[in-house]
Amino acid sequence: DIQMTQSPSTLSASVGDRVTITCRASQTVVKWLAWHQQKPGKAPRVLIFESSSLESGVPSRFSGRGSGTEFTLTINGLQTDDVGTYYCHQYNAYPWTFGQGTRVDI
Amino acid sequence: EVQLLESGGSLVQPGGSLRLSCVVSPTIFKTFPLTWVRQAPGKGLEWVSTISISGLSTYSADSVKGRFTISRDDSKNTIYLQMNNLRAEDTAVYYCMQVPLWGQGTLVTVSS
Repeated sequence: DIQMTQSPSTLSASVGDRVTITCRASQTVVKWLAWHQQKPGKAPRVLIFESSSLESGVPSRFSGRGSGTEFTLTINGLQTDDVGTYYCHQYNAYPWTFGQGTRVDI
Repeated sequence: EVQLLESGGSLVQPGGSLRLSCVVSPTIFKTFPLTWVRQAPGKGLEWVSTISISGLSTYSADSVKGRFTISRDDSKNTIYLQMNNLRAEDTAVYYCMQVPLWGQGTLVTVSS
């Protein structure tokens, strides 16, 4: 199974900060990586798919980069609405696997 | 517009069975494989099972193999998750997803 390791596990930042979450895969997932945001009590939603493609309706302050085994999610100009937990997820090979999550606080 | 809508979650006793449904918008039903993901209370996301566009291939997590079966009915734009021999550790919100979309989830509670 492909292990997905996110860092940091928790992140506290100020409004307007640039924050970066890193996700490392134990073997290559090529570009088949998504980033999901989950707000408390809500269903997840996809922010980024195929490593760097911004899902429709997602603010442009979110961006994704990477390929192979190293990926990043960057929020340029953190907003209060961005509080939640972020998960990376590989869908290159079964079993699909998720990172353990990064909780973002303001 | 709702594109993925789950139903069927409820309280069930250990050893019992349940069938979840996910109705998918016709415009996206055959664009990408369809998947069930679950989230136990206070925990992270766990992939459960995926069915291919054709329905000929299915994939399941080891934790549910032999107990859960994913299927699809193309005439109803619906996928199902038949869950048998349920255990307490299957308690979770079950989400239907199709990259890059998620449903709103349905809660399954396994308890006596």
